[in-house]
Amino acid sequence: EDQVTQSPEALRLQEGESSSLNCSYTVSGLRGLFWYRQDPGKGPEFLFTLYSAGEEKEKERLKATLTKKESFLHITAPKPEDSATYLCAVGGYSGTYKYIFGTGTRLKVLA
Amino acid sequence: ETGVTQSPTHLIKTRGQQVTLRCSSQSGHNTVSWYQQALGQGPQFIFQYYREEENGRGNFPPRFSGLQFPNYSSELNVNALELDDSALYLCASSTLRLAGGSRETHEQFFGPGTRLTVL
Repeated sequence: EDQVTQSPEALRLQEGESSSLNCSYTVSGLRGLFWYRQDPGKGPEFLFTLYSAGEEKEKERLKATLTKKESFLHITAPKPEDSATYLCAVGGYSGTYKYIFGTGTRLKVLA
Repeated sequence: ETGVTQSPTHLIKTRGQQVTLRCSSQSGHNTVSWYQQALGQGPQFIFQYYREEENGRGNFPPRFSGLQFPNYSSELNVNALELDDSALYLCASSTLRLAGGSRETHEQFFGPGTRLTVL
């Protein structure tokens, strides 16, 4: 069964306290793993796409990595403006396309 | 901002009614996807259209239907509304293409959403 599980559900960090968010997945016909950021009342904002195990992408304080079963979003020295819900999703193909999202990790960074 | 727009922003309907939500894709994108997001949950994939043809569908009943137009704008129609249809409906546009070596690209860019309330 296609599934995406994110942990932890919620995370509180002090400003400057680095941490990692986890996304474990199973999907047939993987067409990419995606990370999004979502602020309250807004649509998700695209961050990264990873296509194959071992791939890494970086953007400012964020770094995403991918293995065959999971992905990590590393946040280095976070700031209060990094507070948001971080969503992980996978795209798959088994005759037709499909996209499965996790329930997200709610991150709060305290000043 | 992504350039993906949705209308209306908010909508209130009663059970049994029908609703049409609209989405204008980002310029140059040929693929549109629709998602339903309940409070505190991740988006649930409804369906995807590529060049006016449905090429993917999630676990939603047939009363959820869609259209994509030649200008790549799109509609989501929901018939016989139920209370559980109350949610944020998100549209996402992308360019489904083969990028050298037959690798597809699936980055999706989301609009702000339409908040639907069914009473």
